[in-house]
Amino acid sequence: RKEVEQDPGPFNVPEGATVAFNCTYSNSASQSFFWYRQDCRKEPKLLMSVYSSGNEDGRFTAQLNRASQYISLLIRDSKLSDSATYLCVVPNYGGSQGNLIFGKGTKLSVKP
Amino acid sequence: GAGVSQSPRYKVAKRGQDVALRCDPISGHVSLFWYQQALGQGPEFLTYFQNEAQLDKSGLPSDRFFAERPEGSVSTLKIQRTQQEDSAVYLCASSLDNRGNTGELFFGEGSRLTVL
Repeated sequence: RKEVEQDPGPFNVPEGATVAFNCTYSNSASQSFFWYRQDCRKEPKLLMSVYSSGNEDGRFTAQLNRASQYISLLIRDSKLSDSATYLCVVPNYGGSQGNLIFGKGTKLSVKP
Repeated sequence: GAGVSQSPRYKVAKRGQDVALRCDPISGHVSLFWYQQALGQGPEFLTYFQNEAQLDKSGLPSDRFFAERPEGSVSTLKIQRTQQEDSAVYLCASSLDNRGNTGELFFGEGSRLTVL
């Protein structure tokens, strides 16, 4: 099992739709999780951190299921500007500070 | 500066050439990281500096890869005798202190290396 696995998509949804992505991780000792957003040919940017059961920020909700070792990202009322690749990230606890393990990303395309 | 700055943005090298990629982190950021992102993949960790000390280089794929940060600010990633499999975007990131595991890394736009 890969350390961080994501469905690559693409997810093609209309504006206003609700869309959810899942990410599974292999290290049961992981305590913190992150979602990064990466626009085409741009740098990744931190979207949300998840330290306990979940986190909500406006239209975005991240949830953690420790028993099943997955985290999800829910986007409500999708906007055209939400089109991007969403990267699931877990710290590498065998490594140093900032040694993060990124998934391959899930591509979202929001259509008018 | 306002953000992490990397140069060159694009580099084309012939196989066997040496390349040097530069990173200017956000002013005052203690920690600096290099990641490699191949096409269609997520970024992969290469190395980590705290000030001028290289504390982790476990992700460097071979001894052809070398990174330095001599004065604890600007960093250079050098790749010797480039190979086609080195083609990727090289991302530099910085964070204010040693809170790298909070996930709060600020990335530059990357240097896109193509080896012919």
